[in-house]
Amino acid sequence: AQRVTQPEKLLSVFKGAPVELKCNYSYSGSPELFWYVQYSRQRLQLLLRHISRESIKGFTADLNKGETSFHLKKPFAQEEDSAMYYCALRGNTDKLIFGTGTRLQVFP
Amino acid sequence: KAGVTQTPRYLIKTRGQQVTLSCSPISGHRSVSWYQQTPGQGLQFLFEYFSETQRNKGNFPGRFSGRQFSNSRSEMNVSTLELGDSALYLCASSKNSGKADEQYFGPGTRLTVT
Repeated sequence: AQRVTQPEKLLSVFKGAPVELKCNYSYSGSPELFWYVQYSRQRLQLLLRHISRESIKGFTADLNKGETSFHLKKPFAQEEDSAMYYCALRGNTDKLIFGTGTRLQVFP
Repeated sequence: KAGVTQTPRYLIKTRGQQVTLSCSPISGHRSVSWYQQTPGQGLQFLFEYFSETQRNKGNFPGRFSGRQFSNSRSEMNVSTLELGDSALYLCASSKNSGKADEQYFGPGTRLTVT
């Protein structure tokens, strides 16, 4: 079965601190993995995808097939990073399966 | 380019009633997916339509149905509403259907069942 687990409901850090939002997945094949973000009063939007291997707004995520993880990282958090973050997986059925989300709070 | 639009934005219904929600994709997008978002279950996939055909379906009862029109606009219908159907219903559109296509989300329709 395809499953995405985000173990932390809430992650609170101070501005300038490193951030790591955890995501683990369960899938037997080669998935495509995404991070979506939802800022306050805005719609859900794609932040990054593992095949792009790019950094968006200072965030990066590396697919670790051995650990079945796709953690989202940023070396120095900014207040404007406060949002809800969802990890998502797309497998062979092409359905997008989301984790339950992690709320990131960045304090000044 | 206009984004994905959903109507209505808010809806209050009574148990046992039925409801129809509408989604207009980005111009040129042919795939529309629907999701249910609740505090307890998070975002759950309902179904996907591509070129007027249902391509994928999530694990929801038959009370949840949808369709897509030739202009790619999509509707979802929920019959015999239950209290547990209260949720934010999101639709997302993409150019095509498949792993590589980025989905663009609408603002959602907030359904409250009393």
